[in-house]
Amino acid sequence: ETGVTQTPRHLVMGMTNKKSLKCEQHLGHNAMYWYKQSAKKPLELMFVYSLEERVENNSVPSRFSPECPNSSHLFLHLHTLQPEDSALYLCASSQGTNRRNEKLFFGSGTQLSVL
Amino acid sequence: KQEVTQIPAALSVPEGENLVLNCSFTDSAIYNLQWFRQDPGKGLTSLLLIQSSQREQTSGRLNASLDKSSGRSTLYIAASQPGDSATYLCAVSGAGSYQLTFGKGTKLSVIP
Repeated sequence: ETGVTQTPRHLVMGMTNKKSLKCEQHLGHNAMYWYKQSAKKPLELMFVYSLEERVENNSVPSRFSPECPNSSHLFLHLHTLQPEDSALYLCASSQGTNRRNEKLFFGSGTQLSVL
Repeated sequence: KQEVTQIPAALSVPEGENLVLNCSFTDSAIYNLQWFRQDPGKGLTSLLLIQSSQREQTSGRLNASLDKSSGRSTLYIAASQPGDSATYLCAVSGAGSYQLTFGKGTKLSVIP
């Protein structure tokens, strides 16, 4: 176990549904991340939160809406998704204090299928 | 824009063999380089992190080297085992950003 827990592990949703992905870290870290992993493409950074403040947003469509209520929890709210949004969504956390020596700890991911 | 390339895309070796995975990046202005392992349908596990001022890092049977000026890193795995079968990902961290730029990975199969 990495100390980063994601739920659900699998999610199937229609294009008109609204759902949320949840991530919780038990490592006392200050930074949390959402990454998208599509087949045959490198991991893509979506959002970064540091001390509950969004510090990076990588031109992600507005149908993805992140929320970070505290430094231990991160959500990704999904609505009106497209089939091409089907992917493995990975949450990660890091200390957030020394970026030169900053290891990322990943959750197991949510495998999302949009029908 | 930083780009990370990993060669080969897939590699199959017999158990016990020593092997090298390659990673190259286009912009040498990096904070650090990390190697990760990913098992099918799972998240990533950090294996080694090399800061930009370092040349190599070792952990058990793994040794990672970094040549920042030429934009290259290698991950050496000694005495490979079937349990080493996974996809290995290389990622670099740029200055002034939380962004990690990943390669597409090398899928390793170690045959018993």
